[in-house]
Amino acid sequence: RKEVEQDPGPFNVPEGATVAFNCTYSNSASQSFFWYRQDCRKEPKLLMSVYSSGNEDGRFTAQLNRASQYISLLIRDSKLSDSATYLCVPRTGRRALTFGSGTRLQVQP
Amino acid sequence: NAGVTQTPKFQVLKTGQSMTLQCAQDMNHNSMYWYRQDPGMGLRLIYYSASEGTTDKGEVPNGYNVSRLNKREFSLRLESAAPSQTSVYFCASSEGQLGNTIYFGEGSWLTVV
Repeated sequence: RKEVEQDPGPFNVPEGATVAFNCTYSNSASQSFFWYRQDCRKEPKLLMSVYSSGNEDGRFTAQLNRASQYISLLIRDSKLSDSATYLCVPRTGRRALTFGSGTRLQVQP
Repeated sequence: NAGVTQTPKFQVLKTGQSMTLQCAQDMNHNSMYWYRQDPGMGLRLIYYSASEGTTDKGEVPNGYNVSRLNKREFSLRLESAAPSQTSVYFCASSEGQLGNTIYFGEGSWLTVV
C-alpha cells in the first residue's frame, strides 16, 4: 500500500468557490503532516504544517483525522493564483519526507 | 541569498553516457536530498544526506551515486544513463536532521535518448 494516496484530480472550480482535497496515509505512526504546493514546471514549496488536529492560515485550513488516517486541505474563496498541484507529506519518525503524487487544482475565471 | 542552486537546468544525454548534477545550498542546512519527478507522478527520493559525511538510499537509488562534498554541496551522478532516467531532478535541503521544511532547487530537466 502506498504511504500516501491522493486523488490526482484535476479539480476544476470557479473563482470564489470553496474546494477540499483529502489525503489518506497508511502509517498510523505518522506524527505530523505538511502540505506543499507545486506550480506547473516549478519546484514544490511549503504551504502549511499540521502538528495537531489542524491548522488555519488565511483562506487555507488543514484538518487531521487520525482515526480514519486522512488529512484534508480546504481552500476558501479560490483565486486563479491557487491553481497548482497540492502535495501531501506525512512525517514518520526520523525518515526523510516522502511525497504523494498530489492533487491538481485548476481555478477558472 | 540564492537558497538551493542546481546545475545544469537542462541536459540531453545519450544512453550510456555519464553525468553529474551539481547542487549547492547557502542556508547552512544539515540535510540535503535528491528527488526525481516523472510526469504525473509524485516526487520520489533517490538519496539523501542527513548530515555532512553521511548518505543514505531513498526509494529509487538504483543507477545513481551521490557525494556530499561538504556541508554546502551534494552531487548526484548517473554513471551510465538509461532512458528510464529521463526525469526532472530536484535537489533540496532542510535544517537540522531531516527537518520538516524542505527547500527545493528549481529542478534539472534531464532527457536520455
